[in-house]
Amino acid sequence: AQSVTQLDSQVPVFEEAPVELRCNYSSSVSVYLFWYVQYPNQGLQLLLKYLSGSTLVESINGFEAEFNKSQTSFHLRKPSVHISDTAEYFCAVSETGFQKLVFGTGTRLLVSP
Amino acid sequence: SQTIHQWPATLVQPVGSPLSLECTVEGTSNPNLYWYRQAAGRGLQLLFYSVGIGQISSEVPQNLSASRPQDRQFILSSKKLLLSDSGFYLCAWSVGTVNEKLFFGSGTQLSVL
Repeated sequence: AQSVTQLDSQVPVFEEAPVELRCNYSSSVSVYLFWYVQYPNQGLQLLLKYLSGSTLVESINGFEAEFNKSQTSFHLRKPSVHISDTAEYFCAVSETGFQKLVFGTGTRLLVSP
Repeated sequence: SQTIHQWPATLVQPVGSPLSLECTVEGTSNPNLYWYRQAAGRGLQLLFYSVGIGQISSEVPQNLSASRPQDRQFILSSKKLLLSDSGFYLCAWSVGTVNEKLFFGSGTQLSVL
C-alpha cells in the first residue's frame, strides 16, 4: 500500500526567500503525485500534479515540484515566497489504476515580513 | 457544473450517541467518493472510499462506518461516538481511474463531549 511522508510539520520563512517543502512516498507500483493547498479558513484545493511526462510540474502561482523516482520524492519549491503563500500544504499519492488517494500529514508554511 | 454538499457544518454530540454525516454530489455520474478526517498533527487521514454503489473500502479500523445507498450519496455513521472521534470530516469526489483531481466539500466539525 502507498504512503506519504512529510517530515516538516511547519516551515517558517521570510517573504521573498526561497522555500522547499519535502515529500517522500512509498509504493511498489507506479504512482500519480499531487500537492494540495489549504489557505486559512478555506477548503483544500489542488495546487499541482504529476501524472506522466515531464518530471517537473508547475503551478500558476510560481510553485514547482519535481518527481524523482530514484529518491521516491516529490518536493515542492518556490524561489521567492509571498505572505499570501501562508497555508498548509499536503502531498498526496495515488497508485496508477486505483482510486485511493493517500495524503501526508501536511506542512504548514508560515511566511513573515 | 458539479457541486458537492456536505452537512451539517458543525455538530456537537455526547459520547455514546449515534452519528450520521451526509454528503451528496451533483452534476456528475458514478463519482469516486471519499471520507477523510483532518486532525491537528495528523493531517488528512483517509477513512473510507467508494468506487460505486454499495462498494465501500475501509482504510482505518475504528468506530465508524460508511454507506453509499445511491450513486451520488455517501454517508458516514457511528452507532456510539467516542471522544476520539472528534475532528474535521471532509467528503470528496473524483471521476475516472486516473484520479486527476479531488474536489472537497466544506467539511463538518464534529465535537464529541
